[in-house]
Amino acid sequence: ETGVTQSPTHLIKTRGQQVTLRCSSQSGHNTVSWYQQALGQGPQFIFQYYREEENGRGNFPPRFSGLQFPNYSSELNVNALELDDSALYLCAEGLAGGDTQYFGPGTRLTVL
Amino acid sequence: KQEVTQIPAALSVPEGENLVLNCSFTDSAIYNLQWFRQDPGKGLTSLLLIQSSQREQTSGRLNASLDKSSGRSTLYIAASQPGDSATYLCAVLGSSGGGADGLTFGKGTHLIIQP
Repeated sequence: ETGVTQSPTHLIKTRGQQVTLRCSSQSGHNTVSWYQQALGQGPQFIFQYYREEENGRGNFPPRFSGLQFPNYSSELNVNALELDDSALYLCAEGLAGGDTQYFGPGTRLTVL
Repeated sequence: KQEVTQIPAALSVPEGENLVLNCSFTDSAIYNLQWFRQDPGKGLTSLLLIQSSQREQTSGRLNASLDKSSGRSTLYIAASQPGDSATYLCAVLGSSGGGADGLTFGKGTHLIIQP
């Protein structure tokens, strides 16, 4: 049990809508990363936040954005949803320095 | 660009067998390598983390090895049990560390242990 929680568990949206996913943190974890995992694939890195600023991004367009709050919780926002955005979205928390990352249970997003 | 490949994609073995899962990566300049377990529709559970300077790590019935120069890692599971059934993912972190480049994952090995 990592203590990392994500909400909601499942979500259904239609193409073109916007969505916000949430991740809550254990105290002391100062980095949060978000990953997208399509069915049958490994997770793909979206971005990482450290001290409330984005400090790394994978190959995802600007309509994927995020926030990290002073209480270490985090949000992933996706605008103009596309069918290919249907996936399991995972957040991972850790300490700056590249040690073990602790993953949440994920949010399953379905875009119709 | 780092690429991670896992072989086999799927594996089904009888309970009690010892088995090896393979992971290869194209860029040997890594900071660390992790093995994760993922149950269907669930998040990831970290099993073992090997720093780039290490050769292997052990936890219970699991042993992971790392050969950075050849870009390979193996996960050895001894005396497999039905509860080991899951997808096993290998991931590497680039040599800059810090996680800002994110983990690069393979597609996983889907393991089924038959009772």
